[in-house]
Order: sequence, then structure tokens, then C-alpha cells
Amino acid sequence: HSALTQPASVSGSPGQSITISCTGTSSDIGNYNYVSWYQQHPGKAPKLMIHDVSKRPSGVSYRFSGSKSGNTASLTISGLQAEDEAVYYCSSYTSSSTSVFGTGTRVTVL
Amino acid sequence: QVQLVESGGGLVKPGGSLRLSCVASGFTFADYYMTWIRQAPGKGLEWVSDISSSSTYINYADSVEGRFTISRANAKNSLYLQMHSLRVEDTAVYYCARMRLQWEPFDFWGQGTLVTVSS
Repeated sequence: HSALTQPASVSGSPGQSITISCTGTSSDIGNYNYVSWYQQHPGKAPKLMIHDVSKRPSGVSYRFSGSKSGNTASLTISGLQAEDEAVYYCSSYTSSSTSVFGTGTRVTVL
Repeated sequence: QVQLVESGGGLVKPGGSLRLSCVASGFTFADYYMTWIRQAPGKGLEWVSDISSSSTYINYADSVEGRFTISRANAKNSLYLQMHSLRVEDTAVYYCARMRLQWEPFDFWGQGTLVTVSS
């Protein structure tokens, strides 16, 4: 499975909302509601932010939300804050019983 | 608290071998699927392999199939990745992570161990 496609970068001002897209195929995102999103700060391990398309783990801010339409999943960060500056990766379960990650999106808070 | 601690990384020549370990604590290791995920320097995440709680089900990425072997020892709360025929492109930080079932999210990650393949 090829990597899921994400925009290389997205930016926004504090307080604004941004949305990151993640495009796959009918063999991954389009066929399963097993899409997750991870946040990675420099030099740190990734952290789970969203799972099962739109569910937030305990402790993750309500400002993070997820959705899916067809073969594309999306992560929205509302009320953007400086601490949200990081690289975000989507991930999906696949029809080959494997997992695939997105190419990653660098979020910059202006 | 939940902890995953990887070890075994280092510098190895192309064609060489290395064995990574991941020791778990703070949760019932035997109840979880485990996975290895890698990240080449300055690059994105790549899923490498996963193993079911009882080692019954194992999967590999095409890029490592036939060269890497994942295993676990539940009595020791440990996960392993035996790597053979290493290539320059295997250079990466290798993370272990847990998930409840194969399709579920990677809900906790270790800090990673760096593998460098270079002559």
C-alpha cells in the first residue's frame, strides 16, 4: 500500500481553524472507519490524537476533531494554539491486514 | 504508568544484522497486539510489522518481508525485531507501539531506538 497523501504544510494564526486532509483509496480509508491521527513534536514520539475517524482519546483537547468522506479523512484543529505546531500523520488499516501512514503535514502557527 | 523502552539500535554495515528489543511495563502486555514503526531521518512514519497477543498472527511491510522477524516473549513483557540483510534505506528510528487489536490505533509509543546502516 502506498502512503496516504497529505499536504506538506498548513498554517494558521492563533485562534483560527485549520483542516488537514488525508487521501487514500478504497482499500484503506474508503473501506474502513479505522483512521487515526498522530501528532509529533520534534525529537518526540508520535501521540495519538484521533482514532476511529472521529473519536478523541482521554486527555486530548476538544479542539481536535476528525471526519471522513469517501477515500479522504480530515483532521480539524480549531482555536489554533502555539503548542499545536507539530507534524501530523494520518493512518489507516488496510485490506492487506496492514497499516499505512500518511506523508505527514507540518502545521505552523503564524 | 505505561512504558515502552526500546533498545538494541546502533551502527551496522550493509548486509549486517541487528536485534531490537522493546520492554513493556505498566499494562498487561499479553493482552495487546504490538507493532514496530520506523522513521527515517527527516522523513515520515512507516509501519514495519505487527504481532498478535499470542504470536498467532504476524504481518510485515513488503519492504522488510523476508529480512525482518518480529517476535515476543509475554513472560518477559518483551517485543523483538530481528533484522537481517540490512540496507542503507533501513536507517531509521524504530519505535515499538501497542494496540488492542490489529485494526485499532497505536495508543502508546516508546521513545524509539536509532538504527544506522552505513559502511
